[in-house]
Amino acid sequence: AQSVTQLDSHVSVSEGTPVLLRCNYSSSYSPSLFWYVQHPNKGLQLLLKYTSAATLVKGINGFEAEFKKSETSFHLTKPSAHMSDAAEYFCVVSEAWGSTLGRLYFGRGTQLTVWP
Amino acid sequence: ETGVTQTPRHLVMGMTNKKSLKCEQHLGHNAMYWYKQSAKKPLELMFVYNFKEQTENNSVPSRFSPECPNSSHLFLHLHTLQPEDSALYLCASSQDEGLLRNEQFFGPGTRLTVL
Repeated sequence: AQSVTQLDSHVSVSEGTPVLLRCNYSSSYSPSLFWYVQHPNKGLQLLLKYTSAATLVKGINGFEAEFKKSETSFHLTKPSAHMSDAAEYFCVVSEAWGSTLGRLYFGRGTQLTVWP
Repeated sequence: ETGVTQTPRHLVMGMTNKKSLKCEQHLGHNAMYWYKQSAKKPLELMFVYNFKEQTENNSVPSRFSPECPNSSHLFLHLHTLQPEDSALYLCASSQDEGLLRNEQFFGPGTRLTVL
């Protein structure tokens, strides 16, 4: 099975500074990777996804992520944080083969706090 | 708002009650999922339905009983729950199960508290 590790459970940044949320994955095959965001009392919303096209993926709200196979990483970045970015972020990998093809495996989440 | 709705949004129940959670998707998808989200734990897949057939029961206790009458509706029937079952229950849907690059769309969740 696939797995993901989100390296930080909490990240705090000041408004206007860069955001970096780290994710490493384990996969025996070419993975599909996603970042989802969850605002308080809301469901999960897809931010962006990597599906073996360009390694730099652009998502909504100015977020982007870079797939680095050599490092098995898929870190999420944003050049300038906004107060509305405060939320929990989940790195997700999709099973690439077998009877559970397409099944999603979630990281534990990173809580992003943005200070004014 | 996404194309997946869940009702109720909040539910408080006693351990002897019977209640049901409802999920509806308006996306024309064929696969639907129930997840449990507890504090400080990864999202846990509970059940998967594809074309109304259950394809996954992830060792969920029998006090949780899913029902999928059609591809647009999914229910989770609850009875004799325990306080540790208190969590956010999320419903999701996708085009089909078993697809590479399978994007799932989530509802807002039902916050369940068991007293």
